[in-house]
Amino acid sequence: NAGVMQNPRHLVRRRGQEARLRCSPMKGHSHVYWYRQLPEEGLKFMVYLQKENIIDESGMPKERFSAEFPKEGPSILRIQQVVRGDSAAYFCASSSWTGLGEQYFGPGTRLTVT
Amino acid sequence: AQSVTQPDIHITVSEGASLELRCNYSYGATPYLFWYVQSPGQGLQLLLKYFSGDTLVQGIKGFEAEFKRSQSSFNLRKPSVHWSDAAEYFCAVGVDSNFGNEKLTFGTGTRLTIIP
Repeated sequence: NAGVMQNPRHLVRRRGQEARLRCSPMKGHSHVYWYRQLPEEGLKFMVYLQKENIIDESGMPKERFSAEFPKEGPSILRIQQVVRGDSAAYFCASSSWTGLGEQYFGPGTRLTVT
Repeated sequence: AQSVTQPDIHITVSEGASLELRCNYSYGATPYLFWYVQSPGQGLQLLLKYFSGDTLVQGIKGFEAEFKRSQSSFNLRKPSVHWSDAAEYFCAVGVDSNFGNEKLTFGTGTRLTIIP
């Protein structure tokens, strides 16, 4: 009965490279949320997706960031041309329904940009 | 816009002592309130949640929280802490958006240290 899975757990990228973060929701969950946690800060909402649809991306930076949740496979958060300010922990959460659905969090991917 | 304030960045408590972590929120309507715990290098685990009804909510690991509308607070309590409670604690408010989903807005967290 696996929980939310994220990989890689740690990712190091040089400035200008691309980072791809993966999230596999809990079995039976079709709603995925991405949050970013900067050092010494709380988590900030980035994007909410359902299968093949971006529902709410109000927290996503306008440039370089994109997310998808295909019909098959994990959700992907993609960061192009990374900069040092992108260094953070990125958490994925999933839920089985909207409204008041409890969100289950993965262990996070810690991105370091050198 | 909604916001969450956790005034205590770091709290140190002796093992066996009682604990209270403060959380204040700002939101126009009745909020959905949550407490999460994060152990080092780990994801977040839900301790408890308040949606409606009884303002005293029981959670896992012996934690409870009380919703006080007049004070816009949702403080987390535990009568007797254990060394394993050392972690980062986050209060969050859930907001129904126009899309029918629930975005969580988190506080900056309170780091709990337990001393023998």
